[in-house]
Amino acid sequence: EVQLVQSGGGLVKPGGSLRLSCAASGFTFSNAWMNWVRQGPGKRLEWVARIKSHFHGGTTTYAAPVKGRFTISRDDFMKTVYLQMNSLNTEDTAVYYCTTDPYIDALDVWGQGTLVSVSS
Amino acid sequence: QSVLTQPPSASGTPGQRVTISCSGSSSNIAINYVYWYQQLPGTAPKLLIHRDNQRPSGVPDRFSGSKSGTSASLAISGLRSEDEADYYCVTWDDSVTGAVFGGGTQLTVL
Repeated sequence: EVQLVQSGGGLVKPGGSLRLSCAASGFTFSNAWMNWVRQGPGKRLEWVARIKSHFHGGTTTYAAPVKGRFTISRDDFMKTVYLQMNSLNTEDTAVYYCTTDPYIDALDVWGQGTLVSVSS
Repeated sequence: QSVLTQPPSASGTPGQRVTISCSGSSSNIAINYVYWYQQLPGTAPKLLIHRDNQRPSGVPDRFSGSKSGTSASLAISGLRSEDEADYYCVTWDDSVTGAVFGGGTQLTVL
């Protein structure tokens, strides 16, 4: 079955850290570009970060609000993509989704979403 | 405020054709592919259109995408009650070096 299974997330205080994981199965993970996308209380989708495949250089790119605080990485052996989130603030509160980038082969796979809540 | 502008809401009756617009700029829509997603309540988004006007396998041909200049559109023909959902456009923006989403359009089937 083609799927992404997320883990991590939860409640954290402002200034804290969390790591999200996203394990892939059912498709060639090493070929996929991976994104993290979040959806805050207002429902709007917001792109967070992208990592290309190692074949395409493994380049990482970040949205301005998270640059310098979040780090996306991948482990092709474990078929997992990660999002390390540091210096969290209340505006980072959202449901976080990992997803494949459709630029490569129109691959469309989403994780189940995980809630990150930043509150004192 | 989103870089890409979508109408917050749209509506139609069963069988009608509805169009949702997505307005951008010379740094995003004009020079990069546009993708459209459908998000049903309580679920993750689903890809409807990729590379401006291509339908992934399994997406009904009632859904179509188009682009002209700095704007893109999603058309849904033969509207059905199950099409009631939020629709988002997304593209890459070279000026911010990142992906940008539209604010989303909530489609109501009357």
